[in-house]
Amino acid sequence: GAVVSQHPSWVICKSGTSVKIECRSLDFQATTMFWYRQFPKQSLMLMATSNEGSKATYEQGVEKDKFLINHASLTLSTLTVTSAHPEDSSFYICSAPRRSSWDYEQFFGPGTRLTVL
Amino acid sequence: LAKTTQPISMDSYEGQEVNITCSHNNIATNDYITWYQQFPSQGPRFIIQGYKTKVTNEVASLFIPADRKSSTLSLPRVSLSDTAVYYCLVANTGGGNKLTFGTGTQLKVEL
Repeated sequence: GAVVSQHPSWVICKSGTSVKIECRSLDFQATTMFWYRQFPKQSLMLMATSNEGSKATYEQGVEKDKFLINHASLTLSTLTVTSAHPEDSSFYICSAPRRSSWDYEQFFGPGTRLTVL
Repeated sequence: LAKTTQPISMDSYEGQEVNITCSHNNIATNDYITWYQQFPSQGPRFIIQGYKTKVTNEVASLFIPADRKSSTLSLPRVSLSDTAVYYCLVANTGGGNKLTFGTGTQLKVEL
């Protein structure tokens, strides 16, 4: 089946630094990818839609200047958490839709655990 | 996006059949119903998707009544490894369309 990878799988950084998380569709092309954030014991919360070749679309309440998204190719989207603070510590998950026999199927990456000290 | 309501948690024992029901009263004509499974510190994994009636695959069945205002995920003969959070999502799953996750159902399977 289709695979979506994320790198790194976990990262620990100091407060005030920036962290980049990569999301790759390994065996299919994705003009659209989605970024989610998940806090402990909570559901996934959609942060933004990453569009290849154009600006990302952010959900209400998500700071676009803090969470920079770049979808530079049909297989790669990056999420940069700028000036990270402890409250940004979370599990970040990306997904990419791929055409299936009946419709589209969303494939999720394994997630990236961010811990900001 | 149609809102979904599921039980927060369910308990079961190995070998039992588990049925998780999701209500989605304002489902739209073009919406599909999709269920995902998520283990701790992992991304969600697709289980099954359907539009109406019954869908079955190698891991689960999905029952959808005629009015499509609810759906039931059926897991036959669960094992300990089925302990996870199960999410019911309703959306027009076109390639550019986003998914909104509800609270999910935490299923705990015991011996």
